[in-house]
Amino acid sequence: NAGVTQTPKFRILKIGQSMTLQCAQDMNHNYMYWYRQDPGMGLKLIYYSVGAGITDKGEVPNGYNVSRSTTEYFPLRLELAAPSQTSVYFCASSPSGGGTEAFFGQGTRLTVV
Amino acid sequence: EDQVTQSPEALRLQEGESSSLNCSYTVSGLRGLFWYRQDPGKGPEFLFTLYSAGEEKEKERLKATLTKKESFLHITAPKPEDSATYLCAVRNGTDKLIFGTGTRLQVFP
Repeated sequence: NAGVTQTPKFRILKIGQSMTLQCAQDMNHNYMYWYRQDPGMGLKLIYYSVGAGITDKGEVPNGYNVSRSTTEYFPLRLELAAPSQTSVYFCASSPSGGGTEAFFGQGTRLTVV
Repeated sequence: EDQVTQSPEALRLQEGESSSLNCSYTVSGLRGLFWYRQDPGKGPEFLFTLYSAGEEKEKERLKATLTKKESFLHITAPKPEDSATYLCAVRNGTDKLIFGTGTRLQVFP
Protein backbone atom coordinates (compact mmCIF):
# COMPACT_ATOMS: atom_id res chain seq x y z
CA ASN A 1 0.00 0.00 0.00
CA ALA A 2 1.23 3.48 -0.84
CA GLY A 3 -0.91 4.96 1.96
CA VAL A 4 -1.81 8.63 1.46
CA THR A 5 -0.25 10.27 -1.58
CA GLN A 6 -0.21 14.03 -2.12
CA THR A 7 0.76 15.84 -5.29
CA PRO A 8 2.51 18.09 -6.02
CA LYS A 9 5.15 18.24 -3.27
CA PHE A 10 6.01 21.86 -3.96
CA ARG A 11 4.25 24.66 -5.85
CA ILE A 12 4.64 28.39 -6.32
CA LEU A 13 1.50 30.30 -7.29
CA LYS A 14 0.99 33.90 -8.24
CA ILE A 15 -1.66 35.94 -6.45
CA GLY A 16 -5.05 35.34 -8.06
CA GLN A 17 -4.15 32.02 -9.66
CA SER A 18 -6.05 28.83 -8.87
CA MET A 19 -4.90 25.29 -8.33
CA THR A 20 -5.97 21.89 -7.06
CA LEU A 21 -4.01 19.94 -4.49
CA GLN A 22 -4.42 16.23 -5.07
CA CYS A 23 -4.84 13.60 -2.37
CA ALA A 24 -5.29 9.87 -2.93
CA GLN A 25 -5.43 6.96 -0.50
CA ASP A 26 -5.40 3.25 -1.28
CA MET A 27 -6.50 1.94 2.12
CA ASN A 28 -10.27 2.14 1.43
CA HIS A 29 -10.66 4.62 4.28
CA ASN A 30 -14.01 6.38 4.61
CA TYR A 31 -12.75 9.48 6.40
CA MET A 32 -10.44 12.05 4.83
CA TYR A 33 -9.13 15.38 6.09
CA TRP A 34 -7.32 18.45 4.79
CA TYR A 35 -5.11 20.53 7.10
CA ARG A 36 -2.81 23.49 6.74
CA GLN A 37 0.27 24.02 8.90
CA ASP A 38 1.91 27.40 9.16
CA PRO A 39 5.56 27.64 10.32
CA GLY A 40 6.00 26.62 13.95
CA MET A 41 2.28 26.00 14.35
CA GLY A 42 -0.04 23.05 14.71
CA LEU A 43 -2.48 21.77 12.11
CA LYS A 44 -5.66 23.67 11.28
CA LEU A 45 -8.56 21.67 9.83
CA ILE A 46 -9.80 23.05 6.49
CA TYR A 47 -12.38 20.49 5.34
CA TYR A 48 -13.16 16.88 6.05
CA SER A 49 -15.25 14.08 4.60
CA VAL A 50 -16.85 11.05 6.24
CA GLY A 51 -17.55 9.31 2.96
CA ALA A 52 -17.95 9.76 -0.76
CA GLY A 53 -20.36 12.60 -1.51
CA ILE A 54 -20.19 14.02 2.03
CA THR A 55 -18.00 16.97 3.01
CA ASP A 56 -18.03 19.45 5.88
CA LYS A 57 -16.19 22.59 6.92
CA GLY A 58 -13.41 22.59 9.45
CA GLU A 59 -11.84 25.49 11.36
CA VAL A 60 -10.48 27.51 8.41
CA PRO A 61 -12.51 26.77 5.23
CA ASN A 62 -12.55 30.24 3.66
CA GLY A 63 -10.78 30.41 0.31
CA TYR A 64 -10.94 26.65 -0.27
CA ASN A 65 -13.30 24.11 -1.79
CA VAL A 66 -13.41 20.33 -1.78
CA SER A 67 -15.24 17.50 -3.46
CA ARG A 68 -15.35 13.78 -2.77
CA SER A 69 -16.84 11.80 -5.62
CA THR A 70 -14.99 8.56 -4.80
CA THR A 71 -13.58 6.92 -1.67
CA GLU A 72 -10.00 7.19 -2.94
CA TYR A 73 -9.68 10.88 -3.87
CA PHE A 74 -10.20 14.09 -1.94
CA PRO A 75 -8.90 17.10 -3.91
CA LEU A 76 -8.58 20.57 -2.37
CA ARG A 77 -9.24 23.54 -4.64
CA LEU A 78 -7.75 26.99 -4.07
CA GLU A 79 -9.53 29.76 -5.95
CA LEU A 80 -7.92 33.19 -6.29
CA ALA A 81 -4.78 32.39 -4.30
CA ALA A 82 -3.67 34.92 -1.67
CA PRO A 83 -0.35 35.27 0.25
CA SER A 84 -2.20 34.20 3.41
CA GLN A 85 -2.59 30.75 1.84
CA THR A 86 1.15 30.19 1.84
CA SER A 87 1.48 27.11 4.02
CA VAL A 88 2.15 23.39 4.10
CA TYR A 89 -0.97 21.36 3.34
CA PHE A 90 -1.50 17.87 4.70
CA CYS A 91 -4.08 15.33 3.69
CA ALA A 92 -5.02 12.48 6.04
CA SER A 93 -7.34 9.50 6.07
CA SER A 94 -8.77 7.19 8.72
CA PRO A 95 -10.87 4.02 8.48
CA SER A 96 -13.74 5.64 10.36
CA GLY A 97 -14.32 8.17 13.13
CA GLY A 98 -14.17 7.54 16.84
CA GLY A 99 -10.79 6.38 18.08
CA THR A 100 -9.33 5.28 14.75
CA GLU A 101 -6.04 6.97 13.99
CA ALA A 102 -5.46 9.13 10.93
CA PHE A 103 -2.66 8.45 8.45
CA PHE A 104 -0.99 11.46 6.87
CA GLY A 105 0.57 12.21 3.52
CA GLN A 106 3.94 13.90 3.18
CA GLY A 107 2.48 17.32 2.51
CA THR A 108 2.40 19.96 -0.23
CA ARG A 109 4.44 23.10 0.36
CA LEU A 110 2.63 26.01 -1.31
CA THR A 111 3.99 29.53 -1.71
CA VAL A 112 1.81 32.34 -3.04
CA VAL A 113 3.76 35.35 -4.35
CA GLU B 1 -15.90 25.76 20.83
CA ASP B 2 -13.62 22.72 20.83
CA GLN B 3 -10.05 23.57 21.71
CA VAL B 4 -6.72 21.85 22.30
CA THR B 5 -3.87 23.62 24.11
CA GLN B 6 -0.37 22.20 24.44
CA SER B 7 2.42 23.27 26.76
CA PRO B 8 5.21 24.04 26.80
CA GLU B 9 5.69 25.33 23.24
CA ALA B 10 9.30 24.20 23.31
CA LEU B 11 11.33 21.98 25.60
CA ARG B 12 15.08 21.38 25.72
CA LEU B 13 16.29 18.34 27.62
CA GLN B 14 19.61 16.73 28.30
CA GLU B 15 19.82 13.12 27.24
CA GLY B 16 18.42 11.01 30.10
CA GLU B 17 16.48 13.90 31.67
CA SER B 18 12.84 12.80 31.99
CA SER B 19 9.94 15.24 31.55
CA SER B 20 6.28 15.57 30.60
CA LEU B 21 4.33 17.36 27.88
CA ASN B 22 0.83 18.60 28.59
CA CYS B 23 -2.30 18.66 26.42
CA SER B 24 -5.42 20.27 27.86
CA TYR B 25 -8.69 20.11 25.94
CA THR B 26 -12.29 21.20 25.86
CA VAL B 27 -14.38 19.18 23.45
CA SER B 28 -18.01 18.28 22.92
CA GLY B 29 -18.35 14.52 22.90
CA LEU B 30 -14.77 13.25 23.08
CA ARG B 31 -14.42 10.22 20.84
CA GLY B 32 -10.66 9.83 21.20
CA LEU B 33 -7.47 11.69 22.12
CA PHE B 34 -4.42 11.15 19.94
CA TRP B 35 -0.70 11.79 20.20
CA TYR B 36 1.41 12.19 17.07
CA ARG B 37 5.10 12.76 16.40
CA GLN B 38 6.18 15.03 13.56
CA ASP B 39 9.72 15.25 12.19
CA PRO B 40 10.78 18.30 10.14
CA GLY B 41 9.46 18.23 6.57
CA LYS B 42 7.26 15.20 7.20
CA GLY B 43 3.66 14.39 7.98
CA PRO B 44 2.58 13.50 11.54
CA GLU B 45 3.11 9.92 12.62
CA PHE B 46 0.64 8.24 14.97
CA LEU B 47 1.77 7.29 18.49
CA PHE B 48 -1.23 6.65 20.78
CA THR B 49 -5.00 6.75 21.09
CA LEU B 50 -6.66 7.24 24.49
CA TYR B 51 -10.39 6.89 24.98
CA SER B 52 -11.32 7.41 28.61
CA ALA B 53 -10.06 8.99 31.83
CA GLY B 54 -7.56 6.82 33.64
CA GLU B 55 -6.31 5.11 30.52
CA GLU B 56 -2.55 4.78 29.94
CA LYS B 57 -0.53 3.63 26.92
CA GLU B 58 3.22 3.00 26.62
CA LYS B 59 5.69 2.67 23.79
CA GLU B 60 9.42 2.49 24.43
CA ARG B 61 10.35 5.67 26.34
CA LEU B 62 6.91 7.27 25.91
CA LYS B 63 3.86 6.95 28.14
CA ALA B 64 0.56 8.73 27.54
CA THR B 65 -2.09 9.28 30.21
CA LEU B 66 -5.57 10.80 30.12
CA THR B 67 -7.80 12.62 32.60
CA LYS B 68 -11.15 14.30 31.98
CA LYS B 69 -9.49 17.60 31.08
CA GLU B 70 -5.94 16.84 30.00
CA SER B 71 -3.44 14.34 28.74
CA PHE B 72 0.25 13.98 29.49
CA LEU B 73 3.01 12.52 27.38
CA HIS B 74 5.76 11.37 29.72
CA ILE B 75 9.22 10.90 28.24
CA THR B 76 11.54 8.75 30.32
CA ALA B 77 15.33 8.97 29.81
CA PRO B 78 15.01 10.58 26.36
CA LYS B 79 17.57 10.14 23.61
CA PRO B 80 18.52 12.60 20.85
CA GLU B 81 16.42 10.60 18.38
CA ASP B 82 13.32 11.54 20.40
CA SER B 83 13.77 15.12 19.19
CA ALA B 84 10.64 16.08 17.23
CA THR B 85 7.41 18.04 17.53
CA TYR B 86 4.74 16.20 19.50
CA LEU B 87 1.14 16.95 18.55
CA CYS B 88 -2.01 16.25 20.51
CA ALA B 89 -5.42 15.95 18.81
CA VAL B 90 -9.01 15.21 19.78
CA ARG B 91 -11.87 13.83 17.75
CA ASN B 92 -15.19 15.40 18.72
CA GLY B 93 -18.77 14.22 18.46
CA THR B 94 -19.05 15.29 14.78
CA ASP B 95 -15.81 13.47 13.93
CA LYS B 96 -13.72 16.59 13.45
CA LEU B 97 -10.08 15.84 14.28
CA ILE B 98 -8.69 18.97 15.97
CA PHE B 99 -5.00 19.50 16.71
CA GLY B 100 -3.10 21.57 19.21
CA THR B 101 -0.09 23.72 18.29
CA GLY B 102 2.43 21.14 19.41
CA THR B 103 5.49 20.94 21.67
CA ARG B 104 8.88 21.13 19.99
CA LEU B 105 11.23 18.81 21.88
CA GLN B 106 15.01 18.94 21.57
CA VAL B 107 17.15 16.36 23.34
CA PHE B 108 20.88 17.08 23.58
CA PRO B 109 23.59 14.46 24.10
